[in-house]
Amino acid sequence: QSALTQPASVSGSPGQSITISCTGTSNDVGSYNLVSWYQQHPGKAPKLVIYEVNKRPSGVSSRFSASKSGNTASLTISRLQAEDEADYSCCSYAGSYTYVFGTGTRVTVL
Amino acid sequence: QVQLQESGPGLVKPSETLSLICSVSGGSVSSGSQYWSWIRQPPGKGLEWIGYIYNSGSAKYNPSLKSRVTISGDTSKNQFSLKLSSVTAADTAVYYCARGLPGEWSDWGQGTLVTVSS
Repeated sequence: QSALTQPASVSGSPGQSITISCTGTSNDVGSYNLVSWYQQHPGKAPKLVIYEVNKRPSGVSSRFSASKSGNTASLTISRLQAEDEADYSCCSYAGSYTYVFGTGTRVTVL
Repeated sequence: QVQLQESGPGLVKPSETLSLICSVSGGSVSSGSQYWSWIRQPPGKGLEWIGYIYNSGSAKYNPSLKSRVTISGDTSKNQFSLKLSSVTAADTAVYYCARGLPGEWSDWGQGTLVTVSS
């Protein structure tokens, strides 16, 4: 059970859109529509921003959207804002009641 | 709103057992519909799922940690705990407790740093 692969960093200017990829295998991302995304500001606990591939919890901005194609899931942040600067991690069900996280991506707002 | 708070030693010696408690308010550990999890994050690294309990005692664990991990609940105190045996420096991390469907953790504790060192 290896960690899902994410780019180490992604950056964008305010108002732009960015996309973070999360690549797994046919044993996890590719087999289940159970991918979630977490936002984590420095020194803080993670916050759920997407679950079940593309669903937003109540209270999460509509600027966050997500999708999945094959073994790769993606998180898009539209109209980038300074407050979006944080670490983002994906997570997928990997079968047999197990879960695997991604390597994490640092988002920088230029 | 469910609130969770981790507690336990911040320093553990190599080969010993790491023990943490998560105190829950605003929710019940004994609820059959709730899942209570532990997740950790080594300094500067990504998150790692450790395991969870549900139905007041059934548990599932990360296969890579399964031989060393025990997660259990104490319904009388509305707490659940983590025990990780035979620790090494690689177990140094911020440990979080969380509530929510597995993979969809919506409530988190603030996290507690545990350092493994002699």
